[in-house]
Amino acid sequence: GDKVKQSPSALSLQEGTNSALRCNFSIAATTVQWFLQNPRGSLINLFYLVPGTKENGRLKSAFDSKESYSTLHIRDAQLEDSGTYFCAADIMSNYNVLYFGSGTKLTVEP
Amino acid sequence: GGIITQTPKFLIGQEGQKLTLKCQQNFNHDTMYWYRQDSGKGLRLIYYSITENDLQKGDLSEGYDASREKKSSFSLTVTSAQKNEMAVFLCASTSLLSSYEQYFGPGTRLTVL
Repeated sequence: GDKVKQSPSALSLQEGTNSALRCNFSIAATTVQWFLQNPRGSLINLFYLVPGTKENGRLKSAFDSKESYSTLHIRDAQLEDSGTYFCAADIMSNYNVLYFGSGTKLTVEP
Repeated sequence: GGIITQTPKFLIGQEGQKLTLKCQQNFNHDTMYWYRQDSGKGLRLIYYSITENDLQKGDLSEGYDASREKKSSFSLTVTSAQKNEMAVFLCASTSLLSSYEQYFGPGTRLTVL
């Protein structure tokens, strides 16, 4: 089965609204990364997390290793936030091998 | 800062053909990775290398070979291209001596005719 389950698979937001994306891990994760894949296919690094929270502008992310989940909160969504968001977890490897979720396709509408 | 470059950007081959994808990074990172992304899906690990001349298999290594010729470059070979492996191939690198955060290249899109 999938080691990283990401939800929702797709999301449509009005500009200026807030939302949250979530990843659940079926086995222990040590670190988590969140990426935005833009329409050209490039992966943009958003957050690298050990257990805890980080904030960057309108984005905030949390990783709870005991409850095996991570969240990405988007505040005041803008058109340029559209794209596909991926979480990826390092599952107890020594070499930061990442297991990816299947992505959340976010569309922000005016 | 640094950059990861992947060549070619688009690769078209015939079924059964041997094809090679290349990746270069100037971060001076020790560890490099090859992932495959099928349309509408997440990334899956093919091979990784923790140092020059090292190779480690990922979950998707069957049908692929890899080569870490020097610290800055990591090549992936599709040994016999199949139509069901048309995908985008992404290279990444990280430093296990510092932050562990992975950075990705722009990808190579493979089409098999």
